[in-house]
Amino acid sequence: AQSVTQLGSHVSVSEGALVLLRCNYSSSVPPYLFWYVQYPNQGLQLLLKYTSAATLVKGINGFEAEFKKSETSFHLTKPSAHMSDAAEYFCAVSDSLNKFYFGSGTKLNVKP
Amino acid sequence: EADIYQTPRYLVIGTGKKITLECSQTMGHDKMYWYQQDPGMELHLIHYSYGVNSTEKGDLSSESTVSRIRTEHFPLTLESARPSHTSQYLCASSEYGGGNTEAFFGQGTRLTVV
Repeated sequence: AQSVTQLGSHVSVSEGALVLLRCNYSSSVPPYLFWYVQYPNQGLQLLLKYTSAATLVKGINGFEAEFKKSETSFHLTKPSAHMSDAAEYFCAVSDSLNKFYFGSGTKLNVKP
Repeated sequence: EADIYQTPRYLVIGTGKKITLECSQTMGHDKMYWYQQDPGMELHLIHYSYGVNSTEKGDLSSESTVSRIRTEHFPLTLESARPSHTSQYLCASSEYGGGNTEAFFGQGTRLTVV
């Protein structure tokens, strides 16, 4: 069975500071992992995805994530937060049938 | 920009009414999904489809029903709306693949049943 755990429902950082959003997964097979961003009253937009090609994945808007099999983690980072990064972020894992399982989300607040 | 559309964006309706939430995609994707999203909670899969005439229930039990008569169209229907159905409903689609293809999401329908 696939599942995802996101630690911290709310994360607050100052503008220009490092962003770190945590995601741990549970999967019985090599996972396909995704990070999505959701702005208020919008759908989800793909930030990046891991599909076993490279452990460090670069996405849009300066975000990246590193797949660590030994830690079953896929944390999302950005070196310098911008006000426009304030949103809710969802980690997801998919199975071989393309069913997606999402975490409960982390709301990122960026302080000026 | 993903080409998947949901209508209406917002809906306030009285208890007992029948409603249909529309979802259409122009990407030719075989797989389509309906998720229910409540504040502070993960997205719960309530229905999915692998193609025309294919519909399956998701992991979260739902009183809603879906149909897939055309590839591009995946409507969700509630025969008799109740306040417990108040939520945001997100439609998504993806290419057929072995799990490494991402889902594209519509903007959602926020349903309020009064």
